[in-house]
Amino acid sequence: EDKVVQSPLSLVVHEGDTVTLNCSYEVTNFRSLLWYKQEKKAPTFLFMLTSSGIEKKSGRLSSILDKKELFSILNITATQTGDSAIYLCAVEEQGGSEKLVFGKGTKLTVNP
Amino acid sequence: NAGVTQTPKFRILKIGQSMTLQCTQDMNHNYMYWYRQDPGMGLKLIYYSVGAGITDKGEVPNGYNVSRSTTEDFPLRLELAAPSQTSVYFCASRTRDRGSGANVLTFGAGSRLTVL
Repeated sequence: EDKVVQSPLSLVVHEGDTVTLNCSYEVTNFRSLLWYKQEKKAPTFLFMLTSSGIEKKSGRLSSILDKKELFSILNITATQTGDSAIYLCAVEEQGGSEKLVFGKGTKLTVNP
Repeated sequence: NAGVTQTPKFRILKIGQSMTLQCTQDMNHNYMYWYRQDPGMGLKLIYYSVGAGITDKGEVPNGYNVSRSTTEDFPLRLELAAPSQTSVYFCASRTRDRGSGANVLTFGAGSRLTVL
């Protein structure tokens, strides 16, 4: 059973659209949730969320965490073709585990 | 800043061959990881290491071995390559956010391996 579930798995939009990517998780001792962007090569870090209700923002990207409902969303406003990528969500547990558990990712395609 | 460096970038193997994927980092990070990424499957942890001389299995360790003789290097070895090991492999090292204590991974560029 997957501990981290992302939806949708794939999304195609036009430039200028706003998108919302979802990540739900099931872990017993949550420490943090991280978002990564993966273009053609290695994932690059976007956000780390540890507290509910506090929005993290970077330009047109923003993310928020709900620890009660066990999910996070990643919003991208006024999308550009350069936003086309796979967006990965990962969750870290407390209690000595040194591992991040990744979701399968959402493949976003932004068409001109 | 080199960060995390992986070699080779691409490799084609025949079934039963062996090879080593190299990974080195120059950030003096204790924690290092090997992931594989199959299409549509996200990242699966193969092995990880919390410091020189210490390694542990991840979710999908079968068919692989690792060693960690130095802080900088964390090679991944495939002893008898199988088609199921066709994948993209990512090495990563970890920094800890001082404020929250949470992990942030820095990834290498990846190694695409095909086993025919």
